[in-house]
Amino acid sequence: DAGVTQSPTHLIKTRGQQVTLRCSPKSGHDTVSWYQQALGQGPQFIFQYYEEEERQRGNFPDRFSGHQFPNYSSELNVNALLLGDSALYLCASSLVGGKETQYFGPGTRLLVL
Amino acid sequence: KQEVTQIPAALSVPEGENLVLNCSFTDSAIYNLQWFRQDPGKGLTSLLLIQSSQREQTSGRLNASLDKSSGRSTLYIAASQPGDSATYLCAAATGTASKLTFGTGTRLQVTL
Repeated sequence: DAGVTQSPTHLIKTRGQQVTLRCSPKSGHDTVSWYQQALGQGPQFIFQYYEEEERQRGNFPDRFSGHQFPNYSSELNVNALLLGDSALYLCASSLVGGKETQYFGPGTRLLVL
Repeated sequence: KQEVTQIPAALSVPEGENLVLNCSFTDSAIYNLQWFRQDPGKGLTSLLLIQSSQREQTSGRLNASLDKSSGRSTLYIAASQPGDSATYLCAAATGTASKLTFGTGTRLQVTL
């Protein structure tokens, strides 16, 4: 049983560029959440997707957008990259309601130069 | 707005010691509280989840407790081993999406 997978593992971009990160949830899960973790900090909630719609959003600007596909996989898009967007981006999957354990992927390390 | 605090920020103990990590949260209206382990540069591994109606959960050498009324949770690690060295994060789940609010973690080092 595959767990949560994310791609790519590492990415280097320059300021102003756009980036797309991908996540496949754990088998049987229908909900995907994205988190940003800056160095030395705890992860911060970006948004959650269920039934291909954004269910809840954290305190992130509109440059951060997402999508969920019919197979429950998800993408995180970040436009107009800033140096401060450099972080580890984590995807978590769960069943709808999210009251059970949320399982995290290995993350994508984004470096913006 | 939920805020989660973890104390201490870092901890170094000799192998074999028992230890306690602390987590406090400001909003007691949580669905559950989860403890995670994070190795350097890696993702999060779920250790224990305590539902809001529960007082504690155990898994092997780990025991987590929850006191909603006081806004506190503790993670007890028995007979620590060098392989336990990692950052431990607690997270409180709130809201319709059960979004997780994390503390900044406790960095644990277990020495030989």
